[in-house]
Amino acid sequence: GENVEQHPSTLSVQEGDSAVIKCTYSDSASNYFPWYKQELGKGPQLIIDIRSNVGEKKDQRIAVTLNKTAKHFSLHITETQPEDSAVYFCAAPLLDNNDMRFGAGTRLTVKP
Amino acid sequence: DAMVIQNPRYQVTQFGKPVTLSCSQTLNHNVMYWYQQKSSQAPKLLFHYYDKDFNNEADTPDNFQSRRPNTSFCFLDIRSPGLGDAAMYLCATSRDRGLTEAFFGQGTRLTVV
Repeated sequence: GENVEQHPSTLSVQEGDSAVIKCTYSDSASNYFPWYKQELGKGPQLIIDIRSNVGEKKDQRIAVTLNKTAKHFSLHITETQPEDSAVYFCAAPLLDNNDMRFGAGTRLTVKP
Repeated sequence: DAMVIQNPRYQVTQFGKPVTLSCSQTLNHNVMYWYQQKSSQAPKLLFHYYDKDFNNEADTPDNFQSRRPNTSFCFLDIRSPGLGDAAMYLCATSRDRGLTEAFFGQGTRLTVV
């Protein structure tokens, strides 16, 4: 089955700096890679996703890159703001039943 | 407007006393999921419904059951809650399995006393 590993587990940056979170997956047939943001006491919310037919996708300050050969994808947040502080999860589907498997999460803290 | 609504937000139950958590959706999505999330951990899939078809994860304890009486509602039943079942329970929906966005509710935080 799919194994999704996420690094780092915690990340602290200064406001205005960039933050990068990386995930690796094991199933080479996986073809959809979402990133979720979870704020304290709330459910995860999708912030960006990428499909395997593209290598990069950008939405304002957030971008995701995908390297299918190396089987890893990364979340990039530029010009970080305190409201970006949250736990971020990557995910990838299990191809046998398409259930989503989550990475362990990264707690991002943006210091003012 | 909230599209996936979970009730209650907070639930306290006694050890061994059956408890039911509810989830409703206004998206008319085919798939409804239940995840368990313990502190500082990733959400763990318990089971999901694809329309009326129930799909249980292999490692989900028998203590956890689910019902989906119609497209809009899905329930999580914990027959005999133990202290280890204290967690946030997240309901999510998606139009289709796996390859489309999942919409999560706010979660129900379950405390077992």
